[in-house]
Amino acid sequence: NAGVMQNPRHLVRRRGQEARLRCSPMKGHSHVYWYRQLPEEGLKFMVYLQKENIIDESGMPKERFSAEFPKEGPSILRIQQVVRGDSAAYFCASSPLGEQYFGPGTRLTVT
Amino acid sequence: GENVEQHPSTLSVQEGDSAVIKCTYSDSASNYFPWYKQELGKRPQLIIDIRSNVGEKKDQRIAVTLNKTAKHFSLHITETQPEDSAVYFCAASKGNQGGKLIFGQGTELSVKP
Repeated sequence: NAGVMQNPRHLVRRRGQEARLRCSPMKGHSHVYWYRQLPEEGLKFMVYLQKENIIDESGMPKERFSAEFPKEGPSILRIQQVVRGDSAAYFCASSPLGEQYFGPGTRLTVT
Repeated sequence: GENVEQHPSTLSVQEGDSAVIKCTYSDSASNYFPWYKQELGKRPQLIIDIRSNVGEKKDQRIAVTLNKTAKHFSLHITETQPEDSAVYFCAASKGNQGGKLIFGQGTELSVKP
């Protein structure tokens, strides 16, 4: 059973470009969470999704950030018009219901 | 708001000694408390968790205790080994059937051989 997959593992974007991060949950898991980890800091919740539904987006910045988890395919975290402060590791976690298992993360660098 | 405080921020022990990391949470509705281990550049790995209907849980050298009245929980690692060196995060959630995790700030554990 493959674990949570994320791609790309590393992403470099210039200020103003768009970043698209993908997350494929573990087989059988229908819940996906996105977290952001700034250098030398802890993990901060961003958004919680089930298939075709956003359950909790209380941690998402109001502008430029969006997330989806379509009926088919991976969950996508989209950051428009990236700024230097968006540089961080973005982790997704999937869950059957309860425990959350993390993917390897996408390290976004904005130059 | 929801908050989890974790102490200490760094902890250095000799191999074979025990290590204890403590967390307090603010939301009394929290009912699920996992612990994660994160090695440098790697993903957080779930190492143990506890739900609010249990006071203690053990898995080999790792144990977690929960005091709901005081709203704090602790991770205990016995007979530490150099490979235990990592950053450990506690977290709390209101939904033991699903829900966001609120993380502590992390403890960097160093086990010296």
